[in-house]
Amino acid sequence: EDQVTQSPEALRLQEGESSSLNCSYTVSGLRGLFWYRQDPGKGPEFLFTLYSAGEEKEKERLKATLTKKESFLHITAPKPEDSATYLCAGSGGSYIPTFGRGTSLIVHP
Amino acid sequence: NAGVTQTPKFQVLKTGQSMTLQCAQDMNHNSMYWYRQDPGMGLRLIYYSASEGTTDKGEVPNGYNVSRLNKREFSLRLESAAPSQTSVYFCASSEDRGEGYGYTFGSGTRLTVV
Repeated sequence: EDQVTQSPEALRLQEGESSSLNCSYTVSGLRGLFWYRQDPGKGPEFLFTLYSAGEEKEKERLKATLTKKESFLHITAPKPEDSATYLCAGSGGSYIPTFGRGTSLIVHP
Repeated sequence: NAGVTQTPKFQVLKTGQSMTLQCAQDMNHNSMYWYRQDPGMGLRLIYYSASEGTTDKGEVPNGYNVSRLNKREFSLRLESAAPSQTSVYFCASSEDRGEGYGYTFGSGTRLTVV
């Protein structure tokens, strides 16, 4: 059974304080590792897909990386508008992604 | 471009009542999905439709039925609502079921069963 575990559950940062969110996965035949952002009261918004170990993708202050067992979402010099829940998901042979429970990020001004 | 539209946004049902959640996408996507999101549980797949005319069960299908009405629309029906079905329901779509395609989600339906 595919599993995706995210840590920490919650993270509080000061504006400008860089940090990383972790996503550990056990997905048979990984076809894609996905990151989403979810704002309160809204649906998840797609951020990145990573396909193979060593791959990196960036968008503004966010950079996602992938190893054979984990993915990291690095947030550089975060701003209050980066506050959201970040979801990780992995898809394998069934193509249907398994989602983690998310990391709730709060960035204080 | 509206993306994925879900109706209604909020609903309160009594135990045993039935209702249909509607979902429509305007991106010409082939695949559509229904998820539920509960505190501490993450997103769980209820049903999906890889292409028009096909539907398949996901992780938590019991108590639900779906209809892929056409390429744009995918509805979720609760035949006899139970308090355990209190949740936030999200519809999503993707270009294809294959790897790499990020999902576009709707804004959700918040359902309370009393």
